[in-house]
Amino acid sequence: AQTVTQSQPEMSVQEAETVTLSCTYDTSENNYYLFWYKQPPSRQMILVIRQEAYKQQNATENRFSVNFQKAAKSFSLKISDSQLGDTAMYFCAFMHPNTDKLIFGTGTRLQVFP
Amino acid sequence: DADVTQTPRNRITKTGKRIMLECSQTKGHDRMYWYRQDPGLGLRLIYYSFDVKDINKGEISDGYSVSRQAQAKFSLSLESAIPNQTALYFCATSENGDFSSYNEQFFGPGTRLTVL
Repeated sequence: AQTVTQSQPEMSVQEAETVTLSCTYDTSENNYYLFWYKQPPSRQMILVIRQEAYKQQNATENRFSVNFQKAAKSFSLKISDSQLGDTAMYFCAFMHPNTDKLIFGTGTRLQVFP
Repeated sequence: DADVTQTPRNRITKTGKRIMLECSQTKGHDRMYWYRQDPGLGLRLIYYSFDVKDINKGEISDGYSVSRQAQAKFSLSLESAIPNQTALYFCATSENGDFSSYNEQFFGPGTRLTVL
């Protein structure tokens, strides 16, 4: 069974700085998808970025980028130029395409300080 | 208007009561999901449905049942609520696309349920 591990329950960063959130996963599959979701205090689940395992190039969305290391089964999220609005819970998630089911990590609470 | 709606948004109930959480979507998606979020545990899948006639158990289905009344509606029921079912519940939907490709899940705003 697939598992997703986020080892950092809480992190903090100063506004305008860069922060990296860690995620590791375990699977025997070769083809899958990885995601980072943001959950602000409003509790809405917002998709931040996704990565297809067959793509070697790391995904980027504006200030958000990932470092995908397939062999190491590692999928970290880098937030550049952190903003106060980035304060939220961040979840790493795995999906096998044949199931369409998301498996989530336990989350990292990020606080951005002015 | 929101594409995926959940009612109620907040609910407090007592142990032993039957309660239903409702999810509606206007996205025209065939696939719908119910997740539960607990502090420190992330989101876990309770039930999912790939079309009106298809219902499947997820990781933590014990104590829950679901009903897919129509393509747009997917309800989660707690037949006899207990305190450890206190949690944040999310509904999500996705397209009925090819399983070999990615089908993004769109989440509702969540229902916070407290069982006393």
